[in-house]
Amino acid sequence: GAGVSQSPSNKVTEKGKDVELRCDPISGHTALYWYRQSLGQGLEFLIYFQGNSAPDKSGLPSDRFSAERTGGSVSTLTIQRTQQEDSAVYLCASSSLITGSGYTFGSGTRLTVV
Amino acid sequence: SQQGEEDPQALSIQEGENATMNCSYKTSINNLQWYRQNSGRGLVHLILIRSNEREKHSGRLRVTLDTSKKSSSLLITASRAADTASYFCATGSRLNQAGTALIFGKGTTLSVSS
Repeated sequence: GAGVSQSPSNKVTEKGKDVELRCDPISGHTALYWYRQSLGQGLEFLIYFQGNSAPDKSGLPSDRFSAERTGGSVSTLTIQRTQQEDSAVYLCASSSLITGSGYTFGSGTRLTVV
Repeated sequence: SQQGEEDPQALSIQEGENATMNCSYKTSINNLQWYRQNSGRGLVHLILIRSNEREKHSGRLRVTLDTSKKSSSLLITASRAADTASYFCATGSRLNQAGTALIFGKGTTLSVSS
């Protein structure tokens, strides 16, 4: 597609429930990144996928967080047993390592855990 | 972990004035990028400067990089009300052989009043 698409744009969930956030990167972008941004804060790196390489999961804050990328394209970030501190905007970005032209971000998913 | 730190945290200017934002970082980098964010959602890539470059221009934007001081500045000339946004610097350092994941600072909030 023309840009990075994230869904849903907003999600309200009850504490303890699982949520899945989806990211559709730009076609042909081999690299995909997940970040989260708490209110008024910078971006916190979560996980990075590059082609068929094993993902770098070093930024995931706990084992309740996991992500996968199927077929080198769509990615799903799953948060199990959500907690109130998980409330944030979750941003996905993709890039083409060949051009090195920076990241293209989606509009994010605003997650609110009540 | 936070790598870049922007300064100032907030900046208010009048239309037509220039806005200068600074970014300091801690570890060696291979590139530094500036992004803009409106309304707490997706970020837009503004400019990328590589570690072997000292200055780069794009329209009303001018970015400098001083690797000896581990700092960068973003200058927006002849600011407009539409430049009101948060601006983030992000540094790229190697996570693995295949690519990099950017580490973002907390941002500078710029307000331009008409």
